[in-house]
Amino acid sequence: GAGVSQSPSNKVTEKGKDVELRCDPISGHTALYWYRQRLGQGLEFLIYFQGNSAPDKSGLPSDRFSAERTGESVSTLTIQRTQQEDSAVYLCASSSTGVPGAVAYNEQFFGPGTRLTVL
Amino acid sequence: AQSVAQPEDQVNVAEGNPLTVKCTYSVSGNPYLFWYVQYPNRGLQFLLKYITGDNLVKGSYGFEAEFNKSQTSFHLKKPSALVSDSALYFCAVRGDGNYQLIWGAGTKLIIKP
Repeated sequence: GAGVSQSPSNKVTEKGKDVELRCDPISGHTALYWYRQRLGQGLEFLIYFQGNSAPDKSGLPSDRFSAERTGESVSTLTIQRTQQEDSAVYLCASSSTGVPGAVAYNEQFFGPGTRLTVL
Repeated sequence: AQSVAQPEDQVNVAEGNPLTVKCTYSVSGNPYLFWYVQYPNRGLQFLLKYITGDNLVKGSYGFEAEFNKSQTSFHLKKPSALVSDSALYFCAVRGDGNYQLIWGAGTKLIIKP
């Protein structure tokens, strides 16, 4: 089956504009994550969705960042009033949960990412 | 607090030689450990994981990792390196009942012909 897809692959925007990034997880995966990866650095957790539970937004760096997910499908990450420090690759990942409590065991499948450049 | 350390920013290995990429962790409860690889201009790919059982875990592309509880380590190894193994490698860990992965900063592996 298809893997995780993200769009757009590249986005160049001007400082102060809003951007919306999209993630299509693997069908049937209940868990969805967003990460930010700055150039030459590791992954920075942003937000986690699990089924219909309230999302874990603890990693969002400011109130300019928000994300939504419709059921167990598509997710969008929105950055309002973009700043130059928002420039990074934004990665989406999904995973299955399998049996209850097994979410910790399951690897994440990553999309190719969206490279955001804020001028 | 949970954490992962990859002490080497970069590892250089000659093709055909064994390679080791180091990872140590700190987590409450049982650790669930993962290795991922990121090739240039490509997404992160899962390599292998340790959940329970045998301390030596075998994964994709001939890689393996050894879980050492006393040293809280999960080093990635391969007996004979290939130039195509050159990439960025990330170690990650979860604790019991925790869905959030804690990621290391990554180690750049360079295999020279």
